[in-house]
Amino acid sequence: SAVISQKPSRDICQRGTSLTIQCQVDSQVTMMFWYRQQPGQSLTLIATANQGSEATYESGFVIDKFPISRPNLTFSTLTVSNMSPEDSSIYLCSVVSETQYFGPGTRLLVL
Amino acid sequence: GESVGLHLPTLSVQEGDNSIINCAYSNSASDYFIWYKQESGKGPQFIIDIRSNMDKRQGQRVTVLLNKTVKHLSLQIAATQPGDSAVYFCAEKSASGTYKYIFGTGTRLKVLA
Repeated sequence: SAVISQKPSRDICQRGTSLTIQCQVDSQVTMMFWYRQQPGQSLTLIATANQGSEATYESGFVIDKFPISRPNLTFSTLTVSNMSPEDSSIYLCSVVSETQYFGPGTRLLVL
Repeated sequence: GESVGLHLPTLSVQEGDNSIINCAYSNSASDYFIWYKQESGKGPQFIIDIRSNMDKRQGQRVTVLLNKTVKHLSLQIAATQPGDSAVYFCAEKSASGTYKYIFGTGTRLKVLA
């Protein structure tokens, strides 16, 4: 199994600001993903974080709003840019190693 | 398009009884399925998985059943405990896709004392 940590675990932010979320995995993995989970909802894939190349975004998500870095095989960041209250959500990092594992999530509230 | 859904959004079960959580999927090409448990304030936790070449798999107190004929997946929890209270998600991976998983809407399991 893979052990995933995320920082921060939660934050309260003002609209118009940006927040960068960090994801650290305890082993090298090829596939890393970022998901959003809005209150009471299921998980929606934002993008696939590719090591050494640009992230691959899903329909409805763009790089300017959610820039992603993947500097190595154990680490990735997701930035939520120019935040609005609609961005209030849980952001989850995920990796595929034998199966798919998730981090504990970052709970974001935008005022 | 592909979709994974659940029949019951909320399930209340008496402590000690067995729980059955259901999931329907639409993509007959999906070859791998996972059940996750998500407790309040935590990320989804892997419970059990099953590949399409199997119809049943058992873990500790949990059993997953796969019926490919009707594209139905279920999670059975034996002797449900208060600690089983959570939201349960099924996820599906298409054999034709990459590593993208499609998640169902989730079922909240409430264990009554």
